[in-house]
Amino acid sequence: QSVLTQPPSASGTPGQRVTISCSGSSSNIGSNTVNWYQQLPGTAPKLLIYSNNQRPSGVPDRFSGSKSGTSASLAISGLQSEDEADYYCAAWDDSLNGVVVFGGGTKLTVL
Amino acid sequence: QVQLVQSGSELKKPGASVKVSCKASGYTFTSYAMNWVRQAPGQGLEWMGWINTNTGNPTYAQGFTGRFVFSLDTSVSTAYLQISSLKAEDTAVYYCARELGGVVVTAPDAFDIWGQGTMVTVSS
Repeated sequence: QSVLTQPPSASGTPGQRVTISCSGSSSNIGSNTVNWYQQLPGTAPKLLIYSNNQRPSGVPDRFSGSKSGTSASLAISGLQSEDEADYYCAAWDDSLNGVVVFGGGTKLTVL
Repeated sequence: QVQLVQSGSELKKPGASVKVSCKASGYTFTSYAMNWVRQAPGQGLEWMGWINTNTGNPTYAQGFTGRFVFSLDTSVSTAYLQISSLKAEDTAVYYCARELGGVVVTAPDAFDIWGQGTMVTVSS
């Protein structure tokens, strides 16, 4: 059971906009920034969004992040087939001597 | 270019030890902390802890104390993860990941550069 809660799956058709939610608590999302990672099949994770809504250089602006209270969301607009991957949210958690916690991951399928 | 290159897959018997390396290039190794992340087969990501590449001070997450050791060789810009007394449940891909915020951070934040991962299989 992951500390951050994500839906196990999501789907959309090419060109659509999809969102993936990430729910936490006051000790993690509620008091720290949220990061999102994309993991394509058989590859290492890649940083997609940091500090709630910042994109690293090279990440298309189709990807956006937001945070409100103890929840965060990743939105992907203009969905493309190459977006099919697992997506993980993560945040620092102030409890238990401090730890980085991840969501369980959401598998995005492009139909 | 900035990259982390990890050592190859390992097959070990229960009770043995393994040492995974993570060689950095394209940036100043001691300017960015290094994190370690585990991913069991078919499972999600789990943060194991991190090491300050400037001071060598490691911090371990709960569940990764005792048998897990982070170390450095700054002369070759390499971080290491050693796991002793291996168990079947240690079977996983282990990733090193650079800390976006640098080395002077109070807590890990985002991981901007990842190694390709090292598969460690523990089986008799």
